[in-house]
Amino acid sequence: DVKVTQSSRYLVKRTGEKVFLECVQDMDHENMFWYRQDPGLGLRLIYFSYDVKMKEKGDIPEGYSVSREKKERFSLILESASTNQTSMYLCASGVRVLSGYTFGSGTRLTVV
Amino acid sequence: AQSVTQPDIHITVSEGASLELRCNYSYGATPYLFWYVQSPGQGLQLLLKYFSGDTLVQGIKGFEAEFKRSQSSFNLRKPSVHWSDAAEYFCAVGAVQGAQKLVFGQGTRLTINP
Repeated sequence: DVKVTQSSRYLVKRTGEKVFLECVQDMDHENMFWYRQDPGLGLRLIYFSYDVKMKEKGDIPEGYSVSREKKERFSLILESASTNQTSMYLCASGVRVLSGYTFGSGTRLTVV
Repeated sequence: AQSVTQPDIHITVSEGASLELRCNYSYGATPYLFWYVQSPGQGLQLLLKYFSGDTLVQGIKGFEAEFKRSQSSFNLRKPSVHWSDAAEYFCAVGAVQGAQKLVFGQGTRLTINP
């Protein structure tokens, strides 16, 4: 089975801190994604990457950046955390959309 | 751009009753369509998907979904729900061409009464 591992299950950070969320997949997938999940809003795409060092903005990229230096790892960076970035963050990976994507268990981030 | 609407935020059904969760999509052509389930504290698990052919697709855990082009719908069904089906369900659409991303609906939370 494909595994998508998010390094932290729960994080609490202070306003203004730089925050790194890490995601690692073990199946050599080209495509990787970061979503945030909020009640009533479903999952919204922040950024995605279709190859090493390649990235594209999703629907809500403001306040976020990403890094993909190795194929298996996709990092989400909050440059200066704010309270409105308190959310559940989900990472996903896959070969192509037709196959469906595999999701990690999520990181619940609280910014205080 | 594609979009998905799940009109029901929360549904409650009794154990053993039938279930239908609604999903409507917007896309210029026939898209790829998916249903995912999220149990409490977990990531998303793929239930089933549609990309072509038979409009009635079978998935895991006894779920099925029917693609209706005329209604731009992809409703999820189960004949008899079990208490373990309590979860949040997400419908998603993927473009046949272009960016390989999924766009999700708002989700429907399912509660099962004993």
